Amino acid sequence: DVKVTQSSRYLVKRTGEKVFLECVQDMDHENMFWYRQDPGLGLRLIYFSYDVKMKEKGDIPEGYSVSREKKERFSLILESASTNQTSMYLCASALGSGYGYTFGSGTRLTVV
Amino acid sequence: EDQVTQSPEALRLQEGESSSLNCSYTVSGLRGLFWYRQDPGKGPEFLFTLYSAGEEKEKERLKATLTKKESFLHITAPKPEDSATYLCAVQAYAGKSTFGDGTTLTVKP
Repeated sequence: DVKVTQSSRYLVKRTGEKVFLECVQDMDHENMFWYRQDPGLGLRLIYFSYDVKMKEKGDIPEGYSVSREKKERFSLILESASTNQTSMYLCASALGSGYGYTFGSGTRLTVV
Repeated sequence: EDQVTQSPEALRLQEGESSSLNCSYTVSGLRGLFWYRQDPGKGPEFLFTLYSAGEEKEKERLKATLTKKESFLHITAPKPEDSATYLCAVQAYAGKSTFGDGTTLTVKP
């Protein structure tokens, strides 16, 4: 089975800190995604990548950046954490376009 | 802009009481419609992919169907372990999926 591993299940950071969320997949998937999930707002796409060093903005990229230096690793960076970035962050990967996603277990980030 | 609307928001069933969840969508160039199951505090788990109107997929007590405007997830004789949030998503450009808000299913014994 494909496994998507997110580095932390729970994270507490202070306002203004730079935060790194790491995601690794082990099945050579082309596409990788970062979503955030909030009650009442559902899953919203932050950034995605369909190849190494390629990235595209999703629906809510403001305040975030990403890095994909290797095919298996996709990192989400909060440049200067703010309280409105408190959320559940979900990483996903897919073989390619038209395929379902495999999600990680999520990182619940709290910014205080 | 791609849109996905799921109904109802919440559904409570007795064990064995069959029902259906609805997913209405608008998308330019559908590459696939997906159903996922999400348990509390966990990431969504992939269930089905449907590619074209008329297609059906089954897995245990779940059956997904697709028309040009909506998809249904039919649950036959549900058990308490089927309790979860069920998410629908459509995929168009570059494999990017747009998700609905989900239906939270509770099955009472």
